[in-house]
Amino acid sequence: QVQLVQSGAEVKKPGSSVKVSCKASGGTFSSYAVNWVRQAPGQGLEWMGRIIPILGVANYARDFQGRVTFTADKSTSTAYVELSSLRSEDTAVYYCAGGITTNYYMDVWGKGTTVTVFS
Amino acid sequence: QSALTQPASVSGSPGQSITFSCTGTSGDIGSYNLVSWYQQHPGKAPQLMIYEVNKRPSGVSNRFSGSKSGNTASLTISGLQAEDEAAYYCCSYGDRSSLVFGGGTKVTVL
Repeated sequence: QVQLVQSGAEVKKPGSSVKVSCKASGGTFSSYAVNWVRQAPGQGLEWMGRIIPILGVANYARDFQGRVTFTADKSTSTAYVELSSLRSEDTAVYYCAGGITTNYYMDVWGKGTTVTVFS
Repeated sequence: QSALTQPASVSGSPGQSITFSCTGTSGDIGSYNLVSWYQQHPGKAPQLMIYEVNKRPSGVSNRFSGSKSGNTASLTISGLQAEDEAAYYCCSYGDRSSLVFGGGTKVTVL
């Protein structure tokens, strides 16, 4: 089964941007949608949106529209999330989670990438 | 879209059955059989336990079951075991191809 390998932890200053990657290992994104989910310290899960890599089509949760961009490189089976204008409230673990395109559940998860926004 | 509503915590003794709810609206749970449940142990990534209301992925114990009535979905854990102690999150498909999570329920095995 496909595994999702995420990039390492990041420490960023307020106002800057961060880009987190998620690479499919042992397979490709051919039939998958990649969701991005974040979890602030001690808090619950928050869905940010998803991208279908083979189509390049993305949809964003309302709370993230305008500040988040999902992209994907089909040639390397890698998806990315970029979050701009970082503020302290964006400090969280960011997960990528895959699921078959036509399904709305996530059966493969990355281990998460910790992003710390710190001045 | 507002988060789904879950009880903050539920507890039970080993061997018991527990059931906890996830309440949404007619715009999400009430309109779609697209409710999923995720288990998360501390410091770990979530794991899919139930999808499409009551289906179990391969490898998930049949002690876990899901159901739905109206705008409320439920997860039941039968024969509670120590390893079931974790946070559980419900998730539903909603308006405009979006997903929404519940706030999570912490299950404690006494």
